[in-house]
Amino acid sequence: DGGITQSPKYLFRKEGQNVTLSCEQNLNHDAMYWYRQDPGQGLRLIYYSQIVNDFQKGDIAEGYSVSREKKESFPLTVTSAQKNPTAFYLCASTDSLDSYSNQPQHFGDGTRLSIL
Amino acid sequence: GQNIDQPTEMTATEGAIVQINCTYQTSGFNGLFWYQQHAGEAPTFLSYNVLDGLEEKGRFSSFLSRSKGYSYLLLKELQMKDSASYLCAVRDHPLDSNYQLIWGAGTKLIIKP
Repeated sequence: DGGITQSPKYLFRKEGQNVTLSCEQNLNHDAMYWYRQDPGQGLRLIYYSQIVNDFQKGDIAEGYSVSREKKESFPLTVTSAQKNPTAFYLCASTDSLDSYSNQPQHFGDGTRLSIL
Repeated sequence: GQNIDQPTEMTATEGAIVQINCTYQTSGFNGLFWYQQHAGEAPTFLSYNVLDGLEEKGRFSSFLSRSKGYSYLLLKELQMKDSASYLCAVRDHPLDSNYQLIWGAGTKLIIKP
């Protein structure tokens, strides 16, 4: 079955620690995205990538970093510079880079990150 | 600025009909998506509108009026499993946003027996 796999489901971070959230897709999608979801707020875009070895900052990139070395993988690192990392993190992908496409974004099951 | 407004919470009865509204103010418009999200789970795609009018898909329908910056999601014959949050998202003009979506905060729908 094709889909997006995020791991781990739950993650705890200590002060001063960097943590990496995994996102793997076998849908052969070109574009991948990382969102942060906080209670009572819409999804906010952290980073996105339209092609391997290229990525762009979203609205809230400070304190985060990404890489896109393979088409299937788009890991997100939450660095110690992100002072309020507690949130639900969602990875998504989409097939078409066509701005007029009706293709939706497909989401992974999310990673819930908390501070110890 | 960019803004999407949805009611925070709605309550409806099993078997009834409910309409969830979404209004948007964006610099451009290139399609509107509705997603369903159960608590602690991934959002799942429900519908897409880019032209004015009604799109029907089983028990769910979605309507768009671009001139009014308005959409609604209509759920018929409500079932308990429809208890979830419903997210409205607008794709802004591609030259400005590179295919990004602007998301509303979601409407939590509670279904009562």
